[in-house]
Amino acid sequence: EPEVTQTPSHQVTQMGQEVILRCVPISNHLYFYWYRQILGQKVEFLVSFYNNEISEKSEIFDDQFSVERPDGSNFTLKIRSTKLEDSAMYFCASSVPGTGMISSPLHFGNGTRLTVT
Amino acid sequence: GQNIDQPTEMTATEGAIVQINCTYQTSGFNGLFWYQQHAGEAPTFLSYNVLDGLEEKGRFSSFLSRSKGYSYLLLKELQMKDSASYLCAPKEDSSYKLIFGSGTRLLVRP
Repeated sequence: EPEVTQTPSHQVTQMGQEVILRCVPISNHLYFYWYRQILGQKVEFLVSFYNNEISEKSEIFDDQFSVERPDGSNFTLKIRSTKLEDSAMYFCASSVPGTGMISSPLHFGNGTRLTVT
Repeated sequence: GQNIDQPTEMTATEGAIVQINCTYQTSGFNGLFWYQQHAGEAPTFLSYNVLDGLEEKGRFSSFLSRSKGYSYLLLKELQMKDSASYLCAPKEDSSYKLIFGSGTRLLVRP
């Protein structure tokens, strides 16, 4: 079964450094998402992406974050200047368009655990 | 905006049945998803309801009442591997994203 893949699985970085988290969504999916989950907390929406542009973003997704689809397969999340509070698990997800009134589920990758020291 | 309410924790015995409730308020509604998340892992899709009633899928069933803003996930013949968090996610009709509740952490005991 096709799956969303994320690299790296773990990333350790120093405060103030830039990090890029990478994702390969499922090939026929059109909608891409980033979520994060701080340890012990809920899964939080960051941003959705469709047709090469941001569709929606949350208040968390401020100017230090950016997303890009640099080619036909990768989808990246860049954190420009990391802070200690950016330490979390970052999940990429993708979905196909729904049909009629039926919505399509999001399929999640295994996540990248980001630790900012 | 959305408001999602689930119990924080539940405990049940292996082989038993457990019902996890979710109440929600959304701006528009286009179905409700349930996901399972084991500790340290990604959420995985369990079920989707868009019409009122019960959807059954093996040991798992999900119920929806749109007028009451209420859903439940029913897990039968509990197994130890069912120990996980269960996330309720109602979907707004104007959006493709899912917003998750805080989840219900289920502990299955022998």
